[in-house]
Amino acid sequence: EDQVTQSPEALRLQEGESSSLNCSYTVSGLRGLFWYRQDPGKGPEFLFTLYSAGEEKEKERLKATLTKKESFLHITAPKPEDSATYLCAVQHQAGTALIFGKGTTLSVSS
Amino acid sequence: GAGVSQSPRYKVAKRGQDVALRCDPISGHVSLFWYQQALGQGPEFLTYFQNEAQLDKSGLPSDRFFAERPEGSVSTLKIQRTQQEDSAVYLCASGPGPGHEQYFGPGTRLTVT
Repeated sequence: EDQVTQSPEALRLQEGESSSLNCSYTVSGLRGLFWYRQDPGKGPEFLFTLYSAGEEKEKERLKATLTKKESFLHITAPKPEDSATYLCAVQHQAGTALIFGKGTTLSVSS
Repeated sequence: GAGVSQSPRYKVAKRGQDVALRCDPISGHVSLFWYQQALGQGPEFLTYFQNEAQLDKSGLPSDRFFAERPEGSVSTLKIQRTQQEDSAVYLCASGPGPGHEQYFGPGTRLTVT
């Protein structure tokens, strides 16, 4: 059964304190791994797609990496506006639906 | 350009009522998805359209749930005889094609009393 597990469930950081969020997955044939950001009361906002192990993508203070079993979202020198829930999702090779984890809720205080 | 829009943003229904939720995808996107998100959980897949064809409805929880996209653009998710367990946020997403990223709307929060 395809499964996505995100850790930690919640993370509190001070402004400028870098950290990483983890997404572990089991899927029988990965087509792509997706990272989204979700603010309260809003829909998920697309951040990155990773397709193969070793791939990395960056956007401002965020960097996503992928191995054969997990993905990391690295946050460098976070700011309070980075506070949100970060969702990881996988797409099976044969399908189009995204299978989401429960998310990591990040709080950054100044 | 405009993103995915959904209406209504909030809906309160009495148990047993029928509801209809609307999704306007990004213009030109052939893929359209519906997801259900419970509080504190990630979105869960309900159904998928490619243009007007419903190619996957494996996530629909019961035959009370029905979705359509008759002209390959706007989509409607209908829930008949609503139950309390149907209370959730219903998210619509569209994308340029299979395997590509999906862009989400703001969701409709359904509360069944």
